[in-house]
Amino acid sequence: QLVESGGGFVQPGGSLRLSCAASGFTFNIYTIHWVRQAPGKGLEYVSAINSNGGRAYYANSVKGRFTISRDNSKSTVSLQMGSLRAEDMALYYCAREIYSTSHDGFDIWGQGTMVTVSS
Amino acid sequence: QSVLTQPPSVSGAPGQRVTISCTGSSSNIGANFGVHWYQQLPGTAPKLLIYGDTNRPSGVPDRFSGSKSGTSASLAITGLQAEDEADYYCQSYDSSLSGFVFGTGTKVTVL
Repeated sequence: QLVESGGGFVQPGGSLRLSCAASGFTFNIYTIHWVRQAPGKGLEYVSAINSNGGRAYYANSVKGRFTISRDNSKSTVSLQMGSLRAEDMALYYCAREIYSTSHDGFDIWGQGTMVTVSS
Repeated sequence: QSVLTQPPSVSGAPGQRVTISCTGSSSNIGANFGVHWYQQLPGTAPKLLIYGDTNRPSGVPDRFSGSKSGTSASLAITGLQAEDEADYYCQSYDSSLSGFVFGTGTKVTVL
């Protein structure tokens, strides 16, 4: 399973660090993704990190402000979020990509952690 | 940014068949990247329904099926049940963005 934590209330311009803790599977072979969902809105793809942490991806909307990292020894992925804006307010999910050679679906999702950005 | 377009809503009576379209472009679905579908029940995390265009994960009823042609894909739900009332999202990889993209989402209502 995947369990997110670290969400909370932050003022515009502030920072927050989200964590995603994995258990029950061989963590270090999977690409892990972050997906967010603003209240009442659809899913938005945010970031990803490959199995060994050597490659990261960021959506244009967060590039330069968010940093993804992972610690395979602790089976965790982190998302450091900075310069937060009102439009970053959302429920943040981490998800596991199916183990394959292609860009495959996300078969395990966490329950999400809420980030509220407001003055 | 949603580069995959879905109808906002579809509806059907119990037992009927409904389909949800997902329209992309030559940099995602049309580039032969796999299309994946998710079901999101109210207040819950998304659940993978279909991956790689047509494949169902273990435990997903065969009432759900996926197809793809050109730059579009479709999710079909046959024998519609009340428990199928949810939001559905398609997803694919986009080569111009070098990342995954989600569809705009479709709300399925069981009449």
